[in-house]
Amino acid sequence: GQQLNQSPQSMFIQEGEDVSMNCTSSSIFNTWLWYKQDPGEGPVLLIALYKAGELTSNGRLTAQFGITRKDSFLNISASIPSDVGIYFCAGSRLGRYSGSRLTFGEGTQLTVNP
Amino acid sequence: ETGVTQSPTHLIKTRGQQVTLRCSSQSGHNTVSWYQQALGQGPQFIFQYYREEENGRGNFPPRFSGLQFPNYSSELNVNALELDDSALYLCASSLMGGRSPLHFGNGTRLTVT
Repeated sequence: GQQLNQSPQSMFIQEGEDVSMNCTSSSIFNTWLWYKQDPGEGPVLLIALYKAGELTSNGRLTAQFGITRKDSFLNISASIPSDVGIYFCAGSRLGRYSGSRLTFGEGTQLTVNP
Repeated sequence: ETGVTQSPTHLIKTRGQQVTLRCSSQSGHNTVSWYQQALGQGPQFIFQYYREEENGRGNFPPRFSGLQFPNYSSELNVNALELDDSALYLCASSLMGGRSPLHFGNGTRLTVT
């Protein structure tokens, strides 16, 4: 099935470093979301973006909804060991977001070395 | 607030068999979606249920079917299991209308041998 292009596929960083990952699509999305998934668990919502150009923060996490509606990025500042996991971007094309049909990226595996 | 719960957590089935997976929505949510996540990939949308009816479907064959009950809990049924059906099956709930992001359960790991 169709998926978003998410990069990088994996990252190995030192504790305290900043991280940036992004997602692109050939199609327009009306909502972008970022999830984190730990082993054996379901994805957990980190940030939801509903408007082109929107920049939203959640603690050390900042995400932006691209102006073209075809991309989004997630930044993590001052990484800590518990940031380890797989990060997924997801987009929805619904004009009025009802939290249903999401298209996911393939994920970015983040490893943080203490 | 009770989150999304799924059962069972793990399941092993033989090719050709049928399986039923269960999900209880987060309290206050009226919409349930099911996703399939193959190893090393992002989740893929199977279908969504709202008001006990299928309300949107991804690229999955008819042998994938579901139910939503009046209490908003849901079942995913898969008939004639194939080896490629081995995956993590995720249930997610939300509130129809407005800005209601999906909240996922921890999934059911299905292995088809």
